[in-house]
Amino acid sequence: RKEVEQDPGPFNVPEGATVAFNCTYSNSASQSFFWYRQDCRKEPKLLMSVYSSGNEDGRFTAQLNRASQYISLLIRDSKLSDSATYLCVVSAGYNNDMRFGAGTRLTVKP
Amino acid sequence: EAGVAQSPRYKIIEKRQSVAFWCNPISGHATLYWYQQILGQGPKLLIQFQNNGVVDDSQLPKDRFSAERLKGVDSTLKIQPAKLEDSAVYLCASSLEPSGSRTSGANVLTFGAGSRLTVL
Repeated sequence: RKEVEQDPGPFNVPEGATVAFNCTYSNSASQSFFWYRQDCRKEPKLLMSVYSSGNEDGRFTAQLNRASQYISLLIRDSKLSDSATYLCVVSAGYNNDMRFGAGTRLTVKP
Repeated sequence: EAGVAQSPRYKIIEKRQSVAFWCNPISGHATLYWYQQILGQGPKLLIQFQNNGVVDDSQLPKDRFSAERLKGVDSTLKIQPAKLEDSAVYLCASSLEPSGSRTSGANVLTFGAGSRLTVL
């Protein structure tokens, strides 16, 4: 089993749609969780951290379920500019490395 | 604030040749990471430094890859000899503190633009 697994996608949605991505992780000791966004041929950039209580940033909502070991990202009212690959990142313990999922590709169409 | 600097941006070599990549992290960032990203895949950690010490190099192919971070600032990643399957983007990232830091935001990774390697 991979340490971090994501929906492979691709997701093709119309503008204004709501789309959700899931990510599961295998290490129950994981402590830090993030969603990164990566545009084509660019470096990954932080989209948002994921907190235990869930958190929202504008149209983006991230949730963490420790019992089931998954995190999710919800994008409401999709924009063309949301088209990118979304990477799930999990870290386990002090000094442990950040492990990335393979990414989920989203294309928002007019 | 200056970002993470990497060079070269692109490199094309033939198999069995050697190549070196350089990274200068954000000033004050104690933790530095090298990731390998093959097309269509997520970044794979190669090595993590805390200041000038290695924290994790479990996924570094040590028969051909080496990395160092002298003086706890700049870092170099070397591949010798290169194989066709080493074709990838090599991403350097830094964070203020290690990944397990309890300080909010201190463990967030900031990436450089990457070095794209093509091995022919």
